Amino acid sequence: GAGVSQSPRYKVAKRGQDVALRCDPISGHVSLFWYQQALGQGPEFLTYFQNEAQLDKSGLPSDRFFAERPEGSVSTLKIQRTQQEDSAVYLCASSLGSAGVGGELFFGEGSRLTVL
Amino acid sequence: GENVEQHPSTLSVQEGDSAVIKCTYSDSASNYFPWYKQELGKRPQLIIDIRSNVGEKKDQRIAVTLNKTAKHFSLHITETQPEDSAVYFCAARAGFGNEKLTFGTGTRLTIIP
Repeated sequence: GAGVSQSPRYKVAKRGQDVALRCDPISGHVSLFWYQQALGQGPEFLTYFQNEAQLDKSGLPSDRFFAERPEGSVSTLKIQRTQQEDSAVYLCASSLGSAGVGGELFFGEGSRLTVL
Repeated sequence: GENVEQHPSTLSVQEGDSAVIKCTYSDSASNYFPWYKQELGKRPQLIIDIRSNVGEKKDQRIAVTLNKTAKHFSLHITETQPEDSAVYFCAARAGFGNEKLTFGTGTRLTIIP
């Protein structure tokens, strides 16, 4: 497709379960970002990839959160032992440029995670 | 790190009137300031952006102004229409080597027909 694609769109998990969220960026986009958006709040930065390299993971809230982009295209955000406070929409975004070039971020529709 | 504050949190204006949303940022190294529009349940979409070497930018009914000295920037929407109703987010990026966007908390704009 032409845009950023995320799956699943909705995920309900029991507390303590592991979840994996997938992001397909726009083809050819070098940069990929994960953001967490709580209800009624702005997106909060989680992590950033340039190709397959994870250059910034300063926003990951705990070691239960892990992200990867092994071949520099599709990315997966994994959350282990989910907690209720993990409930949020997880947004993926990609941009054409690499660090220092910047450019517009294109967002996916997000994955809404609800932890019961 | 960067901190972006946005106000008001909610704004209601009569159709045809103007709307102004203001943001301040803390990191003087920030050099890119986009504005995103997010409709309910939808993805954020870029509506306009400005870089630090420009003081003002306009695109039809939408304009953004930047005051680097005061570290604030504003979104102006003129001749508002019902389809302008949405949540608007400002953001700032520190620049070279620091790619992450820091977002404000959002402004819910409602256009009253």
